[in-house]
Parts: sequence; C-alpha cells; structure tokens
Amino acid sequence: DGGITQSPKYLFRKEGQNVTLSCEQNLNHDAMYWYRQDPGQGLRLIYYSQIVNDFQKGDIAEGYSVSREKKESFPLTVTSAQKNPTAFYLCASSIPGQGNYNEQFFGPGTRLTVL
Amino acid sequence: GNSVTQMEGPVTLSEEAFLTINCTYTATGYPSLFWYVQYPGEGLQLLLKATKADDKGSNKGFEATYRKETTSFHLEKGSVQVSDSAVYFCALTELMDSNYQLIWGAGTKLIIKP
Repeated sequence: DGGITQSPKYLFRKEGQNVTLSCEQNLNHDAMYWYRQDPGQGLRLIYYSQIVNDFQKGDIAEGYSVSREKKESFPLTVTSAQKNPTAFYLCASSIPGQGNYNEQFFGPGTRLTVL
Repeated sequence: GNSVTQMEGPVTLSEEAFLTINCTYTATGYPSLFWYVQYPGEGLQLLLKATKADDKGSNKGFEATYRKETTSFHLEKGSVQVSDSAVYFCALTELMDSNYQLIWGAGTKLIIKP
C-alpha cells in the first residue's frame, strides 16, 4: 500500500535538545511538506520541498531545519532555537505541476512534547 | 494574500441531524477549494474538492458547492453519524513563489452525540 509514514508517533524531548522527526513516502511524489498544528488552529507551513536537494521556508521556519537527499524522505529537525516546540507535526506530499489543484496526502503525525 | 474563515466550533449535533459547516474565503484568481477531515489522533484526509465555480464536491454523504458569488464553500450532510465526529478543515490553493500552496482555515470540531 502506498502512503506516508511518520515516526515516532509520540516524542518527548528535554529543553535544549535537538530532535529529528522522520517522514517517508512511497507514493513517488516529488513535493513534500511539513506543517505544525496547535490546538484550535489551522495548519501552519514550516518547510516544503518541490524536488530532491531543494527546499523552501514556509511561514514559521525559524527554529527548524530540513533536508531532502532522497525523493522518499523529508526529515524535520526541531532545534533548541525553537522557543515553543510542543505541537503536533504533520508531513504531507503531493504531485507538483497540478497547477491550481494541489491535493496533498498526509501522514499520521508526530506529537512532540518538550519536558 | 488568500485566506479562509471557518465557523468556530465545537459544533455539537445529535445523530441523524443535518450538518452545515460554513467556510468563506478571500482570494485573487480562481483557487481550488478543499475540505479535509482529521479524526482524533490522526493525520488529515481529503474529504472532497472543487476546482471551479459551481462545481459540487461530494464524498461519504458530504457535499460542498463552490460559490464564487458568495465566496463560500459550505460543507453539508443530510444525516450525521457518531463516526463523523472529527475536525473539519477548509482550504484553498494560493500561488506562492511559483508554487501552489494550501491555505488553511482554523478547523471546526464536530461532535455527534448518539
């Protein structure tokens, strides 16, 4: 079955530590995205990548970093510079070049809690 | 830039009630419109979509019509079930840096009581 996997489902981190969230897809999609979701709010875009070895900052990139070395993988690192990292993180992918129709497919999410 | 406004939740209904979740938008051009659903503890799933004015998207008994004259894309279902309890997000596309991104509403939590 094709899909997007995120691991781990729950992650705990001590203040001051960096942590990396995994996102893997076997849908053969070129574009991948990272969103942050806070209670009662919509999704906010952290980073996105349209193609391997290229990525762009979204609306709230400060304190985060990404890499895109393989088409299937788009890991997100939450650094100690992120002041309020406790949130639900969602990874998504899509087929670029759809023009105005950008349907995105989502993973199950990772809930990060900073202790 | 484009924006999406959804009705605030939670919306609480009894089983078999009629559902409407309002979504209005501001946009330049002609965006595509989407409704996504998020069940507790999960990621989002596309529920339905519409790509041009007067299009009606439908899936699993849910419907929404792309109304350009009122800039709305309200979600409706004739008879809700307990299993419809979830958070519903309205979204539209926006062109940013030569790429189309999704702009999201804040989400509306739906609670269906038996």
